[in-house]
Amino acid sequence: DVKVTQSSRYLVKRTGEKVFLECVQDMDHENMFWYRQDPGLGLRLIYFSYDVKMKEKGDIPEGYSVSREKKERFSLILESASTNQTSMYLCASSFRVSPLHFGNGTRLTVT
Amino acid sequence: KNEVEQSPQNLTAQEGEFITINCSYSVGISALHWLQQHPGGGIVSLFMLSSGKKKHGRLIATINIQEKHSSLHITASHPRDSAVYICAVEGDGGSQGNLIFGKGTKLSVKP
Repeated sequence: DVKVTQSSRYLVKRTGEKVFLECVQDMDHENMFWYRQDPGLGLRLIYFSYDVKMKEKGDIPEGYSVSREKKERFSLILESASTNQTSMYLCASSFRVSPLHFGNGTRLTVT
Repeated sequence: KNEVEQSPQNLTAQEGEFITINCSYSVGISALHWLQQHPGGGIVSLFMLSSGKKKHGRLIATINIQEKHSSLHITASHPRDSAVYICAVEGDGGSQGNLIFGKGTKLSVKP
């Protein structure tokens, strides 16, 4: 069974801090995705990656960056956290055109 | 106008009832996904389909490509089916896994 693990379930950070959200998958999936989910807005794509060292901007990349140095790990970086980045962050992975497998999410609060 | 519209937004049912959730989309697609999100955040992929009908246990998903419409049916509903059900479409532009999400339907099944 595919496992997508996000490093933290809950995270509280201060405005201006650099924040790292880590995601690891154990099924050798090429595709990895970072989404944020907000009430009334649904899931929105921040960044995605189809291969190691490769990244593509999603719909809302501003204020975020990503890193994919190894196939199994996809990191989301908030360079300088702001209160409007308080949200639920979800990582997902897939193999080519297979269904997505999601992590359990990280609920980030920026104060 | 949202590219993926779900109805209803909220649905309350009695245990045992037959439930239908609808999804309409306005773009060309290569696949449509139905996802389930329980309180606490984790998202599970229920179905990925590009034509016809799929069944898994008490869940049935159908899609009509010509009408750009899909339905998720739950037979003999149970309180454990209470969750948010999300429809998402994969555009036919070649971006694997880059989904457009509906805002979800919150289902509550009362015992």
